[in-house]
Amino acid sequence: RKEVEQDPGPFNVPEGATVAFNCTYSNSASQSFFWYRQDCRKEPKLLMSVYSSGNEDGRFTAQLNRASQYISLLIRDSKLSDSATYLCVVTPSGNQFYFGTGTSLTVIP
Amino acid sequence: GAVVSQHPSWVICKSGTSVKIECRSLDFQATTMFWYRQFPKQSLMLMATSNEGSKATYEQGVEKDKFLINHASLTLSTLTVTSAHPEDSSFYICSGGQGRYEQYFGPGTRLTVT
Repeated sequence: RKEVEQDPGPFNVPEGATVAFNCTYSNSASQSFFWYRQDCRKEPKLLMSVYSSGNEDGRFTAQLNRASQYISLLIRDSKLSDSATYLCVVTPSGNQFYFGTGTSLTVIP
Repeated sequence: GAVVSQHPSWVICKSGTSVKIECRSLDFQATTMFWYRQFPKQSLMLMATSNEGSKATYEQGVEKDKFLINHASLTLSTLTVTSAHPEDSSFYICSGGQGRYEQYFGPGTRLTVT
C-alpha cells in the first residue's frame, strides 16, 4: 500500500468555485502533514502546513482527520492563478517526506 | 524561506556517461537532504536520504551503485547518475530543511539521456 494516496483528478472548475481535495495516508504514526503546490516544470513550494486543529490561510483551509487518516485542502473563490498540481505530503516518524501523486487543478475563466 | 540551489538546471548526456548534480543550501545548514525523481505527469518519488558525513539511505528499488550520493558538507549534497541510460531521463529535485518541518526544494535538474 502506498504511503500517501491522492485522487489525481484533473479537477476543472470555473473561476469563483470552491474545490476540495482529499489525501489519505497509511502510517497512523505520521506526525507532520503539508500541502505543496507545484507548477508545471517547477519545484514544489509549500502552500501550508496542516495542523490537528485545522488551519486557514486566506482562501485556503486545511484539515486533518487522524481517525480516518486523511487530510484535506479546500480552496474557496478559485482564481485562475490557482491552476497547478497540489501535492499532499506526509512525514512518518523520522525525517522522510512522502508525496502523494498530486491532484491537478485547472481553473477556467 | 530558505534557499536551495541545484546545478546544472538542465543537462543532456549520452548513454553510458555519468552525470553529477549538485544541491546546495545557500542560507542554512542541512544535516539531511533528500533526493527525488519525477517522471512526466507523476509525483515526486523519494530516491534517497542524504546524511552529512555518513552513507545515504536509499529507498527500496533505488540502486545505490547507480545513484551515488555524497554529502560532504552541511551545505552540499551531490547525486551522480552513473552509466546513465535513456530510462534515467527525469526531473531530479533535492530538498533540505529542518528535520520534520517544511522542506525547501531546489529548482530541479532536468536530465535527458540520449
